[in-house]
Amino acid sequence: DGGITQSPKYLFRKEGQNVTLSCEQNLNHDAMYWYRQDPGQGLRLIYYSQIVNDFQKGDIAEGYSVSREKKESFPLTVTSAQKNPTAFYLCASTTGTGLYEQYFGPGTRLTVT
Amino acid sequence: KQEVTQIPAALSVPEGENLVLNCSFTDSAIYNLQWFRQDPGKGLTSLLLIQSSQREQTSGRLNASLDKSSGRSTLYIAASQPGDSATYLCAVRGVYSGGGADGLTFGKGTHLIIQP
Repeated sequence: DGGITQSPKYLFRKEGQNVTLSCEQNLNHDAMYWYRQDPGQGLRLIYYSQIVNDFQKGDIAEGYSVSREKKESFPLTVTSAQKNPTAFYLCASTTGTGLYEQYFGPGTRLTVT
Repeated sequence: KQEVTQIPAALSVPEGENLVLNCSFTDSAIYNLQWFRQDPGKGLTSLLLIQSSQREQTSGRLNASLDKSSGRSTLYIAASQPGDSATYLCAVRGVYSGGGADGLTFGKGTHLIIQP
């Protein structure tokens, strides 16, 4: 089955630790995205990548970092510099041309205490 | 900067009713608009995508319309069922001179409850 996988589903970390969230897609999509969802705030774009070895900051990139070494993978690292890291993180992808229909993974809920 | 607003924020109706969810956006220079469904604790499922040149799209009991000039879209759900209970999100993709697939701008969603 084609789709987007995110792991783990739940993640717990102590304050001050960096943590990496995994996102893999087998849809052969060129573009991949990371969003953050908070209650009452909607989804906000963290980073996106249109092609391997290239990525751009979204609206709330501070305290996050990404890499895109393979077309299928777009891991997100939440660093200790992120002031409010507890949130639901969603990975998405689209084709590089045409419809640009966006597909989402199941999400990772990160709790930092 | 694009802003997307969804009204109402929450809606509760009896099963069987037809209903309309509203979405408005401030910048009419959009590439497309997507409607998503999100169940609690889950990712987003794409329901309908409307290209900027289209007026509406239909899938089963769902119909989405787009009036780009006025910055509005509606999602019409016919004969609602308890299984339709979820949060419905509207999102727009902007048009950029450089091309490429920039991210979506989302509304905060409408939380829909269909009473059995």
